[in-house]
Amino acid sequence: KQEVTQIPAALSVPEGENLVLNCSFTDSAIYNLQWFRQDPGKGLTSLLLIQSSQREQTSGRLNASLDKSSGRSTLYIAASQPGDSATYLCAPYNAGNMLTFGGGTRLMVKP
Amino acid sequence: SAVISQKPSRDICQRGTSLTIQCQVDSQVTMMFWYRQQPGQSLTLIATANQGSEATYESGFVIDKFPISRPNLTFSTLTVSNMSPEDSSIYLCSVESGPGETQYFGPGTRLLVL
Repeated sequence: KQEVTQIPAALSVPEGENLVLNCSFTDSAIYNLQWFRQDPGKGLTSLLLIQSSQREQTSGRLNASLDKSSGRSTLYIAASQPGDSATYLCAPYNAGNMLTFGGGTRLMVKP
Repeated sequence: SAVISQKPSRDICQRGTSLTIQCQVDSQVTMMFWYRQQPGQSLTLIATANQGSEATYESGFVIDKFPISRPNLTFSTLTVSNMSPEDSSIYLCSVESGPGETQYFGPGTRLLVL
């Protein structure tokens, strides 16, 4: 059974900092991995999807890397802004059409 | 991308009653997924719903408690039956744009059981 761990669980930083959010997973036989953002009381917004054959994906100030063999993914957020405040979830996708979610990193960016 | 709507957005229910949550997608999709997010927790998959077949439930979830319908390629319902306070959660439906592709989520239904 896939298990996903996200570190740190919570992060509070001043505006402008570059951030690193970590995700580790136990079953490396994944098809892809997605990073999501969840605002309080809301649904999930997909940020980036990395296929298992890829090493990284970029979208604007976000960059996600994947090291499938070691079971790790990292989300980099450049020049953080207060609007980035949310919970960030990583979810590897395994056989059986199944996403397994980590516990998330709650990010607070202070003006 | 897919646009997903859910009804109701939130509800407060009495224990022992049942609530049916609707999920509507703006395009035809093969697979729809139902998740539960308990307070302060991450998401847990309840079941996968394919049109024309019985839903597939994950360990810890049973059809009698969470019956699912999938009458067509754009719609699904999840019923939370005989509710107890432990069922208080956010329930989310999602779809994938293609096998192994991006998953899109609805806004969720916030359920409080008293």
